Amino acid sequence: NAGVTQTPKFRVLKTGQSMTLLCAQDMNHEYMYWYRQDPGMGLRLIHYSVGEGTTAKGEVPDGYNVSRLKKQNFLLGLESAAPSQTSVYFCASSTPASGGTINTGELFFGEGSRLTVL
Amino acid sequence: GQSLEQPSEVTAVEGAIVQINCTYQTSGFYGLSWYQQHDGGAPTFLSYNALDGLEETGRFSSFLSRSDSYGYLLLQELQMKDSASYFCAGLYNFNKFYFGSGTKLNVKP
Repeated sequence: NAGVTQTPKFRVLKTGQSMTLLCAQDMNHEYMYWYRQDPGMGLRLIHYSVGEGTTAKGEVPDGYNVSRLKKQNFLLGLESAAPSQTSVYFCASSTPASGGTINTGELFFGEGSRLTVL
Repeated sequence: GQSLEQPSEVTAVEGAIVQINCTYQTSGFYGLSWYQQHDGGAPTFLSYNALDGLEETGRFSSFLSRSDSYGYLLLQELQMKDSASYFCAGLYNFNKFYFGSGTKLNVKP
């Protein structure tokens, strides 16, 4: 059981380049999230999705786009990378309690993707 | 986003008890989670409180008081391996989780 898998784990980009981070979960979770983590700061929510085909903005969405065409995958795109987007990116998933609609309150995280923009 | 406040750093000795506090904004709030993160690693889930009171899981306990907009994580019988960062995270409307900035716990021999 892989849980949440992120690819790539490391990437170096030049300013202005584009890239996509892929998050895949095999737990059939409804909800998926992209966070970024910078030194001395907590995790900040970029975008999230409450189901296949739906996405919404979080706290820091500017410069990022997302898509969730399949329930198990959540893609994060950077159209024109900037040095300010140098960060560690974490994908996470969660789910309602069995048979219900209330979130269990537990986030399952991927191992992180370390992105450097030069 | 919603703001959650927690101390930036705490130091304690092996075998001791430490409490990490977290205050949160109440609008749209459903519950409070706690996560542990070792340097270079991913956050891992410790506990979740949706109701007032104490939840105990081994050496770790978590508490929530909705009337005070406050919760805490209690770590007992501290071990060196508990040195890590600890984050509180609030679950809010539309299944959004917002995180505090983290508390770095230093456990000394």
